[in-house]
Amino acid sequence: DTEVTQTPKHLVMGMTNKKSLKCEQHMGHRAMYWYKQKAKKPPELMFVYSYEKLSINESVPSRFSPECPNSSLLNLHLHALQPEDSALYLCASSQDPSSAGDEKLFFGSGTQLSVL
Amino acid sequence: QKEVEQNSGPLSVPEGAIASLNCTYSDRGSQSFFWYRQYSGKSPELIMSIYSNGDKEDGRFTAQLNKASQYVSLLIRDSQPSDSATYLCAGEWGGQNFVFGPGTRLSVLP
Repeated sequence: DTEVTQTPKHLVMGMTNKKSLKCEQHMGHRAMYWYKQKAKKPPELMFVYSYEKLSINESVPSRFSPECPNSSLLNLHLHALQPEDSALYLCASSQDPSSAGDEKLFFGSGTQLSVL
Repeated sequence: QKEVEQNSGPLSVPEGAIASLNCTYSDRGSQSFFWYRQYSGKSPELIMSIYSNGDKEDGRFTAQLNKASQYVSLLIRDSQPSDSATYLCAGEWGGQNFVFGPGTRLSVLP
């Protein structure tokens, strides 16, 4: 199993809604990531969890709240989003945060989010 | 500031030709470089990784790394229309700090 699974694939929400994006991997990877990608732009890093601990938070607004319940699961809780938050949200994982120089990043299929 | 630069394209090549994609990076500290392919509306897919100076070949793809010149390239031989996509170059600077370039849009014309 070499997949990173994300749900839902599409999400439309209003600015007052609360929703969650979910990500799961069963490759035994110990680092998991959230990226945001706008159309025709590269992925931008939001959060990284290493060994289930938040290791990188790229100054993301508090309306985005990550959670890593265990080594296989990663959630992104959304609250009071703005229309400019509409984007493709990508989950990714890599094998071993303690390795030096041979990490590879594997992406899920993404959640296309529209905020109305 | 770690940056990865790519020509945004579009790069158009005829079917069967060699497509050459280039990437430069700003910080010599990176040990690892990657090429991802992304079709419109889909997520990035890893196609090549390279860690040492020189060439690395995998099927129709060859990645080249020159750390002295801070330059990474991807050659696609016998280009097919199905290779039409955006190609993202990325570097990894340790601590799970993967930085992506803006991507080069490749169009392979039948």
